[in-house]
Amino acid sequence: QKEVEQNSGPLSVPEGAIASLNCTYSDRGSQSFFWYRQYSGKSPELIMFIYSNGDKEDGRFTAQLNKASQYVSLLIRDSQPSDSATYLCAVNMDSNYQLIWGAGTKLIIKP
Amino acid sequence: SAVISQKPSRDICQRGTSLTIQCQVDSQVTMMFWYRQQPGQSLTLIATANQGSEATYESGFVIDKFPISRPNLTFSTLTVSNMSPEDSSIYLCSVQGASADTQYFGPGTRLTVL
Repeated sequence: QKEVEQNSGPLSVPEGAIASLNCTYSDRGSQSFFWYRQYSGKSPELIMFIYSNGDKEDGRFTAQLNKASQYVSLLIRDSQPSDSATYLCAVNMDSNYQLIWGAGTKLIIKP
Repeated sequence: SAVISQKPSRDICQRGTSLTIQCQVDSQVTMMFWYRQQPGQSLTLIATANQGSEATYESGFVIDKFPISRPNLTFSTLTVSNMSPEDSSIYLCSVQGASADTQYFGPGTRLTVL
C-alpha cells in the first residue's frame, strides 16, 4: 500500500515564528516530492518540489528531504497570517506521473 | 505555469441527472488528471486522461459513471452520470507541468446533488 502520511493538525504557530510541516512516505524508491498549499475554498497551489536529499530554499520556504528516513519537511520562516492554509504533501512513487497525496496539515498562524 | 479554467465553477443538480465539467488549458499538455475532493479531505484521483487514448481509471471509479473525453491537447471533460448525493464534492482537473511530474490545478467545480 502506497501511503503518504501527514499530521492533520491544526498546527498553530505565532506570527514571525518558523512553521515546520512534516510528511512521511511508504515507498523507499520514491523520486519526487511536492508541497502544495490550499486555501479554504480554493484549489491546491504548488509551492515547492524537491528531488534530491538535503534542503531546497525558495524565499521563506525550505523543503527538506531525507530519503533514508523517508520523510520530507516544509519549513516556513517568518510565518505570516496569510500562510494559514492546509498544506498537502504529494509523492511520485512509481514514475507514471501520478502523485500519492497526504491528507494535509492545517496550519494556523496567530497574529 | 499554465492557465487552467474549469466550467462550471459550481452547480446544484438533481439526483439522477448528469453534469459535464470542462477543463481548458492555455497551452498544450500531454497529461491531464481528474480529482475529487470531499469537504475537509485530501485529493482522490479519478482518472488520468491522455490525448488520443482511453482514460485510465483508478480503483473505485468506472467509465460508465465518470466518462472522460480528451479530444485535443488543451481540453478535457469529465461527466458525472446518474448523480446521487454521494457525488457532492469538488471536482478538480490538473495538468502536467513542464517538469514531468509536477501538476497544476484548475480552480475546481463545486457540485451539490440534491
